[in-house]
Parts: sequence; C-alpha cells; structure tokens
Amino acid sequence: KAGVTQTPRYLIKTRGQQVTLSCSPISGHRSVSWYQQTPGQGLQFLFEYFSETQRNKGNFPGRFSGRQFSNSRSEMNVSTLELGDSALYLCASREEGAYEQYFGPGTRLTVT
Amino acid sequence: DAKTTQPTSMDCAEGRAANLPCNHSTISGNEYVYWYRQIHSQGPQYIIHGLKNNETNEMASLIITEDRKSSTLILPHATLRDTAVYYCIVKGSNYKLTFGKGTLLTVNP
Repeated sequence: KAGVTQTPRYLIKTRGQQVTLSCSPISGHRSVSWYQQTPGQGLQFLFEYFSETQRNKGNFPGRFSGRQFSNSRSEMNVSTLELGDSALYLCASREEGAYEQYFGPGTRLTVT
Repeated sequence: DAKTTQPTSMDCAEGRAANLPCNHSTISGNEYVYWYRQIHSQGPQYIIHGLKNNETNEMASLIITEDRKSSTLILPHATLRDTAVYYCIVKGSNYKLTFGKGTLLTVNP
C-alpha cells in the first residue's frame, strides 16, 4: 500500500495570508490526525478527523481548521498566518480499531 | 495520558544492541506504552506498543517491567540508519499522541 502523502512538501507564505495543506491517508484508513512540529514546542496535536467529523481537537486558536472528505482525504487550513506558524505540519492516518498511526513526510511551512 | 521521562541523548556502537529506557511511573491500568521514532526531517515512524507483556516485532523489542512503571525499547543490532529521536508515549483509549522531547539516539560507526 502507498503511504501517507502530503502536499505540498514545502511552502513559503507571507504574514496575514492563509494556507491550505493536503493529506491523503493510507488506503482504507478513515482516521486522519494533524500535528504541528516546531523546535520550541515539539510535536503538538492539532485535531483528528474520522468519517468527515472532527473527533478530537488540540489547544490551537481558531485560525487552525480542517476538514475531511468522503474519500478520507483531509485538508488543514491556517488563516491570517503569523511568523510563529512556521513549522513542519504532519498528517497521520490510522485504521479503524488500530492504535498505531502512520505519518506522512510533512509539509514545511515558512511564514515570512 | 501519563507523563514519561527519557534521557535526552544516548550513543550506541553500530552492530550493538541499543537499549532505550523510559519511566512512566504514573501509568494507569488501561494505558499502553508506545514507541515512535523520527529520523531527521521525516515524519515519525511507529515502532512498537505494549500493555504489560513484552512485545517483539521485526524492528524492536519492548520490555515492560512487572509494575509497568518503566519500559525499555531494544534495537538488537543498531545500524547507522537507526540514528533518530525516539519517543516513548503512554496513552489510553483516545487516539491523540502526546510527544515529549524523546531521546536522541546516535549510532556511531
């Protein structure tokens, strides 16, 4: 099976802009989670989607949002970008009932 | 989810076993121990998980003490490609992973 894919891999945006990141889970995986990784805060959970519904949410402002489509693909959106949003954004998928998550390679977002 | 404590860094010689410890003294009965690793600039990779019995797969072995307050991840024959940050995570039934700072394992030739 193909692994988790994320697009784009690299992105440069300007403060105040918005950005949309995409994640395609492993075929058959219906749960998709998003994480943010920065040098200062490490890996932090953003949210989890299952069957197009947000099931869990981390402690991030409302500028961070997501959605999941009927084919389990997920998008994450960050509006009004701030310098501190520069990070590696990781997506992970999981099979229903399984505990292990499989991560994609991430999208490296740089906000200038 | 219970808090975990890991050494900041460890070294290991190539071909030798790497033993990575993790303390989780506040673990509760229904919480699992998970290990993930992250090779530089890549997404984390699932390694293994267990509840109370020792577990082994093609990548590693997980030894959990009888009181479940600590565990050890064993890479039996470390290679240079095993150089990574290793995260020990304890969690219950929710699927959110809470990553700490992990242990940077450096495998030396």
